[in-house]
Amino acid sequence: GDSVTQMEGPVTLSEEAFLTINCTYTATGYPSLFWYVQYPGEGLQLLLKATKADDKGSNKGFEATYRKETTSFHLEKGSVQVSDSAVYFCALRRTDSSYKLIFGSGTRLLVRP
Amino acid sequence: SAVISQKPSRDICQRGTSLTIQCQVDSQVTMMFWYRQQPGQSLTLIATANQGSEATYESGFVIDKFPISRPNLTFSTLTVSNMSPEDSSIYLCSVKTDGPYEQYFGPGTRLTVT
Repeated sequence: GDSVTQMEGPVTLSEEAFLTINCTYTATGYPSLFWYVQYPGEGLQLLLKATKADDKGSNKGFEATYRKETTSFHLEKGSVQVSDSAVYFCALRRTDSSYKLIFGSGTRLLVRP
Repeated sequence: SAVISQKPSRDICQRGTSLTIQCQVDSQVTMMFWYRQQPGQSLTLIATANQGSEATYESGFVIDKFPISRPNLTFSTLTVSNMSPEDSSIYLCSVKTDGPYEQYFGPGTRLTVT
């Protein structure tokens, strides 16, 4: 079945460091791919999305490119801030009409001043 | 976009009791979903709440344990029945709006079963 695999956390970085959180997926067809962020004590927020191969999603300095050849959707940011500390979830939405989201296990990011 | 509220935001319940969680959206939406996030885990879809008909449950979830209602296009409830400590989780309501890819999540209900 469809699945999403994320790198284990926590990821601890100093402020202004470069961030990469790896995400790979297994799916039939051409799913849409998403990154969601969960700040402490809050619900999930959509961070960015990509709906077809080679699309690049971007928001708030974060980027991710839909790579079909490697079935990956890695999240990157050039310079992280303390306020980026959160849990990041990679997710795919199946290509059927169910609109179900399948989530990875989440990666906790801690940015130190 | 959609603004989603959930009640209660958190609760502590006794084993064997039931809790009903409410989800209210500020606009009519076509699809509503209920997810569970167990401690330190990812999100798992429980069911799709269908307006005017029975919910569609995912493998491993049954109506007797998680009855769902959706009386209109802006409101849904999830009941966690006959609770055990294993039901301690965050329960999140999610909605899909008219845009093809937009899906929003409520703030969640943090449930602790003792």
